[in-house]
Amino acid sequence: EAQVTQNPRYLITVTGKKLTVTCSQNMNHEYMSWYRQDPGLGLRQIYYSMNVEVTDKGDVPEGYKVSRKEKRNFPLILESPSPNQTSLYFCASRNRLAGSNEQFFGPGTRLTVL
Amino acid sequence: DQQVKQNSPSLSVQEGRISILNCDYTNSMFDYFLWYKKYPAEGPTFLISISSIKDKNEDGRFTVFLNKSAKHLSLHIVPSQPGDSAVYFCAASARGSNYKLTFGKGTLLTVNP
Repeated sequence: EAQVTQNPRYLITVTGKKLTVTCSQNMNHEYMSWYRQDPGLGLRQIYYSMNVEVTDKGDVPEGYKVSRKEKRNFPLILESPSPNQTSLYFCASRNRLAGSNEQFFGPGTRLTVL
Repeated sequence: DQQVKQNSPSLSVQEGRISILNCDYTNSMFDYFLWYKKYPAEGPTFLISISSIKDKNEDGRFTVFLNKSAKHLSLHIVPSQPGDSAVYFCAASARGSNYKLTFGKGTLLTVNP
């Protein structure tokens, strides 16, 4: 089954404790992206990657890092989480050659930083 | 600066009737528009899209209309079903924006049996 998976689905942590949210897709998509969803703000892009070893900032990159060492994986790293990073996070991927601009989303990771 | 606006946070309709969800945008560089549906505890799933060279796209019960001069699009669901109850996000992308999707805040649709 074609899908984007994220782990963990739920995470409660404390300020300053480094964490990684993993994202993996099995569709051989070149493009991957991270979004966060906050009440009243919709989804906002954090980082994206056009291909292996190619990453760039989205609209709200502060406090986050990413890496793209393999095509299928795109982990989101919070080196020193803060309470304002409490949010619902979505990973997405797409085929760069697809005409519909459709992005496939993972199930989400709900992060709480105390 | 919100470039994609969904001004109705919620909408309630009766089963079998038409649901109309609206979306406005401000960026004239947007050339592709998408609607996503989101159930609780799940990621957004793609519903339907439209290119700026068209004014209508239809897929079964779902039709998207685009009015470029008004910078407005709408999603029509006919007939509405209880399973359509979800949050609907309007999204847009611009050529040369590295496939970035700009989302509206979403509209919660409730279809009552």
